[in-house]
Amino acid sequence: EVQLVESGGGLVRPGGSLRLSCAASGFTFSSYTMNWVRQAPGKGLEWVSSITSDDSYIYYADSVKGRFTISRDNARNSLYLQMNSLRAEDTAVYYCARGSYSSGWLLDYWGQGTLVTVSS
Amino acid sequence: EIVLTQSPGTLSLSPGERATLSCRASQIFSSSYLAWYQQKPGQAPRLLIYGASSRAAGTPDRFSGSGSGTDFTLTISRLEPEDLAVYYCQRYGSSSLTFGGGTKVEIK
Repeated sequence: EVQLVESGGGLVRPGGSLRLSCAASGFTFSSYTMNWVRQAPGKGLEWVSSITSDDSYIYYADSVKGRFTISRDNARNSLYLQMNSLRAEDTAVYYCARGSYSSGWLLDYWGQGTLVTVSS
Repeated sequence: EIVLTQSPGTLSLSPGERATLSCRASQIFSSSYLAWYQQKPGQAPRLLIYGASSRAAGTPDRFSGSGSGTDFTLTISRLEPEDLAVYYCQRYGSSSLTFGGGTKVEIK
């Protein structure tokens, strides 16, 4: 069974940093593109970042470019999101999502999310 | 950048009724790269439809997708109480993902 479990969320002050993790199991992690998607309270879904199976390609939404860094450790079956210079508008539930085998941009499994709150 | 606009914002229907949800794109793109997700209250999104009309594993056959060009539709043929959710369309297949704003389906 595919499982994605996010962790690392919490309360952080504006300008602060946080590192999210996503532990994957039930599939060959090293074969799949992985993604982060966020959802501000009461709002819709916003794509944040994607990383291909072997790190060869990395993509970011304009809203986080230069502040967030996606990475993965295929040996540990883990995905990460380093978030720096956090702003109030980064407050959201952050979901880790697997890209399907046919298209890394089609999100076929999602974790339950971790809440990041940026507030003073 | 392609923008996806979903309508209506909220749909309130009775069990057994037919629900029709619209997703309109600001530019033409291949229907091969249009997906629909369902997000029930308090849950993560779940993939429902991909390639505009193919059901994902576990999607009941009362859900169907159609469309091409700039206009796409998700139809729920007979609403069930458990279909209470927000539904999002998504364009995929490029170097970014785009989601529509969502349609909330309420059950009367």
